[in-house]
Amino acid sequence: EMVMTQSPATLSVSPGERATLSCRASQSVSNKLAWYQQRPGQAPRLLIYDAFTRATGVPDRFSGSGSGTEFTLTISSLQSEDFAVYYCQHYNNWPLTFGGGTKVEIK
Amino acid sequence: EVQLLESGGGLEQPGGSLRLSCAASGFTFSNYAMNWVRQVPGKGLEWVSSIRTDASTQYANSVKGRFTISRDNSKNTLFLQMNSLRDEDTAVYYCAKIGGSDWYFDFWGQGTLVTVSS
Repeated sequence: EMVMTQSPATLSVSPGERATLSCRASQSVSNKLAWYQQRPGQAPRLLIYDAFTRATGVPDRFSGSGSGTEFTLTISSLQSEDFAVYYCQHYNNWPLTFGGGTKVEIK
Repeated sequence: EVQLLESGGGLEQPGGSLRLSCAASGFTFSNYAMNWVRQVPGKGLEWVSSIRTDASTQYANSVKGRFTISRDNSKNTLFLQMNSLRDEDTAVYYCAKIGGSDWYFDFWGQGTLVTVSS
């Protein structure tokens, strides 16, 4: 089973600053990697798929990069609505697995 | 507008059964694979099961042999039959649609809470 490891577990950032979140796969997943945002009390929302393609309606301050085993989600200038938990998920093979999440909190 | 509305959650005893439903609208349901993902309150996301358009299925090892995913394309509804429930099945269960033809999830329902406790 593919293990997805996200770091850091918590990231403290000031509004307007840049946030960089990491996701590592235990084996190569090619570019089959998605990122989700989950705000408190809400369902997850798709941000990025195929490692770097923004989903419909996602602001361009969100960007994804990487391939193989190392991936990054960058939020260029944090807005108040971006403070949330972020999950990566691979879909290269079965079973599908998620990372443990990174909580982005206000510094 | 895509909408996914789960129902059927509640309190059940260990060893019991529940059937979850997900009513879909706003897209051609029969053309898309569908999925169940769960989340223990305060914890991370766990994929549970998927069903393709041809009704072939996949399951997480943690639920294989106990849970059954199915779909009724005439009613635009996804199901999850959960048998032999365990305490560790307690979670919010989300219904999710795949994006395009690959196994990421572009739309999610709001979830239904399943609590397994004596």
